[in-house]
Amino acid sequence: GNSVTQMEGPVTLSEEAFLTINCTYTATGYPSLFWYVQYPGEGLQLLLKATKADDKGSNKGFEATYRKETTSFHLEKGSVQVSDSAVYFCALSEGNFGNEKLTFGTGTRLTIIP
Amino acid sequence: GAGVSQSPRYKVAKRGQDVALRCDPISGHVSLFWYQQALGQGPEFLTYFQNEAQLDKSGLPSDRFFAERPEGSVSTLKIQRTQQEDSAVYLCASSLAPGIRGEQYFGPGTRLTVT
Repeated sequence: GNSVTQMEGPVTLSEEAFLTINCTYTATGYPSLFWYVQYPGEGLQLLLKATKADDKGSNKGFEATYRKETTSFHLEKGSVQVSDSAVYFCALSEGNFGNEKLTFGTGTRLTIIP
Repeated sequence: GAGVSQSPRYKVAKRGQDVALRCDPISGHVSLFWYQQALGQGPEFLTYFQNEAQLDKSGLPSDRFFAERPEGSVSTLKIQRTQQEDSAVYLCASSLAPGIRGEQYFGPGTRLTVT
């Protein structure tokens, strides 16, 4: 079956540091890949996505590239801010029409200190 | 506009009680999903509706779990004879239409604690 493995946390960085959160996946077909974020006290929100190999998703300074050869979708940001403190989830969807359920990783808690 | 809402936000149940969790998706959204999130884990899929049709219930952990969406909008997840292992956050998500992979909008969740 499908699965997602992501870097365990928690991760603590200083403001303006470079961020990488690793994510690898196992899927039987050609999934779409996502990063969701959960800010303190809020619900899950889609951060970025990529739907096919070599696509790069980007949003709010975050980027991730769909690497089929390494089955990876690592999240990066060049200069983190305190406001980026949140839990980040890597996920995939291999949805055939009518079945777009998401498979999530366990989440990585990120704390940015000023 | 209004997002996905869920009620109640918190529910404490004694072991053996039945509970009902409600989800109001974004208006006009065809697809609706339920997920279960245990503490410190990622959400896990429970079931999926397209309008009123339940197309996938492969993630429901036992026959004590039942979900419905009778008019294709509001959905209810019911858990009968709750057990301690049912303690989790139950998340509802909706998306506009099938085929839009992963663009699901999540509600705030219902935190269920079974004592």
